[in-house]
Amino acid sequence: NAGVTQTPKFQVLKTGQSMTLQCAQDMNHEYMSWYRQDPGMGLRLIHYSVGAGITDQGEVPNGYNVSRSTTEDFPLRLLSAAPSQTSVYFCASSPWTGGQPQHFGDGTRLSIL
Amino acid sequence: SQQGEEDPQALSIQEGENATMNCSYKTSINNLQWYRQNSGRGLVHLILIRSNEREKHSGRLRVTLDTSKKSSSLLITASRAADTASYFCATDSRSNDYKLSFGAGTTVTVRA
Repeated sequence: NAGVTQTPKFQVLKTGQSMTLQCAQDMNHEYMSWYRQDPGMGLRLIHYSVGAGITDQGEVPNGYNVSRSTTEDFPLRLLSAAPSQTSVYFCASSPWTGGQPQHFGDGTRLSIL
Repeated sequence: SQQGEEDPQALSIQEGENATMNCSYKTSINNLQWYRQNSGRGLVHLILIRSNEREKHSGRLRVTLDTSKKSSSLLITASRAADTASYFCATDSRSNDYKLSFGAGTTVTVRA
């Protein structure tokens, strides 16, 4: 069992470039989410999905898009990268929402120059 | 906005000692979870405690929840070097569609 797999592990972008952070889970979990972690601030929710075809915004959604075409995959797209999006991004999944332990990937470290 | 706040921000202890960290939150919750994060890794779930529970144990971990004070504590007994990590509390509530809200974490260093 791989759990939650995130790619790439590291990425450097220039301001204005776009890219997609990949997230895949092999546990047949319905609930998936994206967080960003900045120093001293804990994790903040960007977008989440309660099942294939359903997505919703979290606390800090601006500048990011998501889609959920399959149960397994939940990619996060940066439309036009800005230095403020320099962060560590984590994807997580759980069987469903509501008081469930989250399974986290190991993160993508993203730098925007 | 962050719901939970951990205290202290950082903690340094000797191997074999106990480590206690606290989490305070602002609004009513349904569940509270504790996670561990080793350097450069993702978060790992430790314990989930529901709002109608007061205490839970898992191995060397003990979590308490006081909903009247809107606070929780995580106790690690007989600490080991491998316990060196950051620890985060996260809360959810039905009124917020069970979205998790994380605190900024407590960094624990266990000295050999």
